[in-house]
Amino acid sequence: ETGVTQTPRHLVMGMTNKKSLKCEQHLGHNAMYWYKQSAKKPLELMFVYSLEERVENNSVPSRFSPECPNSSHLFLHLHTLQPEDSALYLCASSQGHTFGELFFGEGSRLTVL
Amino acid sequence: GDSVTQMEGPVTLSEEAFLTINCTYTATGYPSLFWYVQYPGEGLQLLLKATKADDKGSNKGFEATYRKETTSFHLEKGSVQVSDSAVYFCALHGSSNTGKLIFGQGTTLQVKP
Repeated sequence: ETGVTQTPRHLVMGMTNKKSLKCEQHLGHNAMYWYKQSAKKPLELMFVYSLEERVENNSVPSRFSPECPNSSHLFLHLHTLQPEDSALYLCASSQGHTFGELFFGEGSRLTVL
Repeated sequence: GDSVTQMEGPVTLSEEAFLTINCTYTATGYPSLFWYVQYPGEGLQLLLKATKADDKGSNKGFEATYRKETTSFHLEKGSVQVSDSAVYFCALHGSSNTGKLIFGQGTTLQVKP
């Protein structure tokens, strides 16, 4: 596989469930990102990891918990979400986190009931 | 803070028409500028970029010129195709040493045969 792969592509969960989104990059990059894409709103940067350390957390509620076990994998753990959290969650990677050129996965479409 | 403003869509054109999608930005220093494209059901892909004033980015027949005097990075294509139907995002990466890519809200382009 090449590029950035996200699983699952679609997820439906209740507000009391616990689930996780997974992202894997095969590009040899050392920085990974989570973005949230909601209808009619700009993309929102959630988290940035560089060399497996979190370097940015954009005031994201604690019901979203990221994990970066190595430079190729990034998770977003979800717990007690709200319906307004329904969105497309995009993972991206880059070589270095200071240059702006990102490679995105296809996204995980999350619906919270 | 840094920001990007794009023209509101949707933009509907006939095949072979000329395309312009306006993008203006506000930033301190000398940001890098990007256009990303999101085809239906996919993640974002880098379309083109420019890293300094008067640079012209180009790819797949699309062009954009970094105009510092007007703080603009308008996207143009001389003859659009149905396959160009997508959402186009203008973005900037500030000269500060962070990983934050600032996106505009996106402009939907629909090309009709």
